[in-house]
Amino acid sequence: DQQVKQNSPSLSVQEGRISILNCDYTNSMFDYFLWYKKYPAEGPTFLISISSIKDKNEDGRFTVFLNKSAKHLSLHIVPSQPGDSAVYFCAAHTGGFKTIFGAGTRLFVKA
Amino acid sequence: DAGVTQSPTHLIKTRGQQVTLRCSPKSGHDTVSWYQQALGQGPQFIFQYYEEEERQRGNFPDRFSGHQFPNYSSELNVNALLLGDSALYLCASSSSRTGKNYEQYFGPGTRLTVT
Repeated sequence: DQQVKQNSPSLSVQEGRISILNCDYTNSMFDYFLWYKKYPAEGPTFLISISSIKDKNEDGRFTVFLNKSAKHLSLHIVPSQPGDSAVYFCAAHTGGFKTIFGAGTRLFVKA
Repeated sequence: DAGVTQSPTHLIKTRGQQVTLRCSPKSGHDTVSWYQQALGQGPQFIFQYYEEEERQRGNFPDRFSGHQFPNYSSELNVNALLLGDSALYLCASSSSRTGKNYEQYFGPGTRLTVT
């Protein structure tokens, strides 16, 4: 039962260009959506979140867009930097105490 | 400001054995969640502890149990280990006082290998 899906296992982007990471979900009751970044041998690091009542949240180079009718969210990174190369996880909070993660997308930013 | 710490870093156990993993939350955090991350997958929620009680559980059997201590640190115990329990076990902490308990801070994980 995959309630949060990241359908692209990997993405390659040139330095300075935009990276767009996508995520789909099935449960309309999620109250918050989050993006985490993970480097090898480290735990996931919280990046940015968005409430289910918003459609956009921005923090520096990172912007998350939420399309509730399509049950889709995306993370935009502009401009992309080599240090952004990592695995990005989309996650959804259930309104209780449980967070459900997608399988992750590996981002490669080429210099 | 100490982040989330976990011990041990790596562990090798035999099928049928029992294991205990430990976690200290980020300073100021009172809530601890445990996740299992299999290779190539995202973290899967095991359970969450708050005020020394398990308050929500994911789809994991009773072989997985936990504990939270008065200083908010936590343990994850797994009994009767199976080969399929081999994974990275992540601990995450959050604060009930900020109103943002959905923002979790993760430790580096414990890599468990069952042979």
